[in-house]
Amino acid sequence: QVQLVQSGAEVKQPGASVRISCKTSGYTFTSYDMHWVRQVPGQGLEWMGRVTPSSGATDYAQKFQGRFTMTTDTSMKTAYMEVTSLTSDDTALYYCARARSPDSGSHLFWGQGTLVTVSS
Amino acid sequence: DIQMTQSPSSLSASIGDIVTITCRASQSVYTYLHWYQQKPGRAPTLLIYAASNLQNGVPSRFRGSGSGTSFTLTISGLQPEDFATYYCQQTHRTPRTFGQGTIVDIK
Repeated sequence: QVQLVQSGAEVKQPGASVRISCKTSGYTFTSYDMHWVRQVPGQGLEWMGRVTPSSGATDYAQKFQGRFTMTTDTSMKTAYMEVTSLTSDDTALYYCARARSPDSGSHLFWGQGTLVTVSS
Repeated sequence: DIQMTQSPSSLSASIGDIVTITCRASQSVYTYLHWYQQKPGRAPTLLIYAASNLQNGVPSRFRGSGSGTSFTLTISGLQPEDFATYYCQQTHRTPRTFGQGTIVDIK
């Protein structure tokens, strides 16, 4: 069965960087884009962007251009999302998500979320 | 960016009620519109894809309708497990924006 398992919670100081992983199983990793969604505590869902594992191509929402980098390791069937120059505004739950089918936009499969806390 | 606006932002309902949530897009998204349910501390789950298609395993009391700029999620006969937050998302254009969410709580 399809599984997306994310790395554990992180606590970082302002200015630091963090890399979150999303390890996949149960499907052909290179056949589906991996999307990332952010949720600030108590708030709604924000689509951050996506990475295409077969090519490494990325597509970011404008808000997440610059400090946010999405990559994949096809040998490890794992997607990564790195955030640099962290501020308290980056404190959030970050989800990876996969589409229902290669030609579908809807996110059927989700990781469990990784909480990133930015605090001095 | 396409703006997605849900209404209401929250509602209180009783078991057995019929609940309707509306999602409006700032421009046409055709039927590239999906509905998710999220419970506290959990990842969202897909309820409806492509405006009106029920995801496998989702109870038939959930129904999606609409196209273009106006969409509706209807829950017919609210059950205790349906108290949650509901989000719409358009995937017609990048960024794939979500609505702000509708909280459904117990009256």
